Amino acid sequence: EVYLLETGGGLMQFGGSLRLSCAASGFAVSSHYMSWVRQAPGKGLEWVSTMYSGGSTYHADSVKGRFTISRDNSKNTLFLEMNSLRAEDTAVYYCARGYSSGLGDAFDIWGQGTMVTVSS
Amino acid sequence: ELVLTQSPATLSLSPGERATLSCRASQSVSAYLAWYQQKPGQAPRLLIYDASNRATGIPARFSGSGSGTDFTLTISSLEPEDFAVYYCQQRANWPPNEFTFGPGTKVDIK
Repeated sequence: EVYLLETGGGLMQFGGSLRLSCAASGFAVSSHYMSWVRQAPGKGLEWVSTMYSGGSTYHADSVKGRFTISRDNSKNTLFLEMNSLRAEDTAVYYCARGYSSGLGDAFDIWGQGTMVTVSS
Repeated sequence: ELVLTQSPATLSLSPGERATLSCRASQSVSAYLAWYQQKPGQAPRLLIYDASNRATGIPARFSGSGSGTDFTLTISSLEPEDFAVYYCQQRANWPPNEFTFGPGTKVDIK
């Protein structure tokens, strides 16, 4: 069965750090591009970061310089290192598998999400 | 920067009715748009990719169309489980490798 399981969320202080994990089952994270997408309470979806199979990484401007996406192929796990946390980082963080049809891109598998709350 | 605009923000319909949701892009993105469904407390689910292809397991009552800057998601006859929020999503031509979501359309029961 193909699924993603995020862990690591919690209540953090402003300026703190946190690492989220996303364990994959049924496929290799190194064979797909993988992303983090977040959703603030009552709001829409916001793309955060992507790591491609070749290792290149990209981050949204809102998190650039503070968040880092990485993976451990041996553990088949994707990570999001979050530093200098701000109140506006409060959200449910989803891990998602990228699907490329050769034409367009979509996220075909999503984890259940992990909540990050940043208090001031 | 690519901006996706969805309309209407809320669509109030009854089961059995047809739902038509719109997504407009601020720049031409050809045919490579995706649609997602999200129910309260759940992760998003991929419905449509490449504007008109249904993802695995998605019922035939869901269809997508459009290209360039204007796209449509149609639910031909609403089932009770279809009342949810729907998002469109695209990867921009520039800057590349950035993904954008629309603000969502909520389909609720009239």
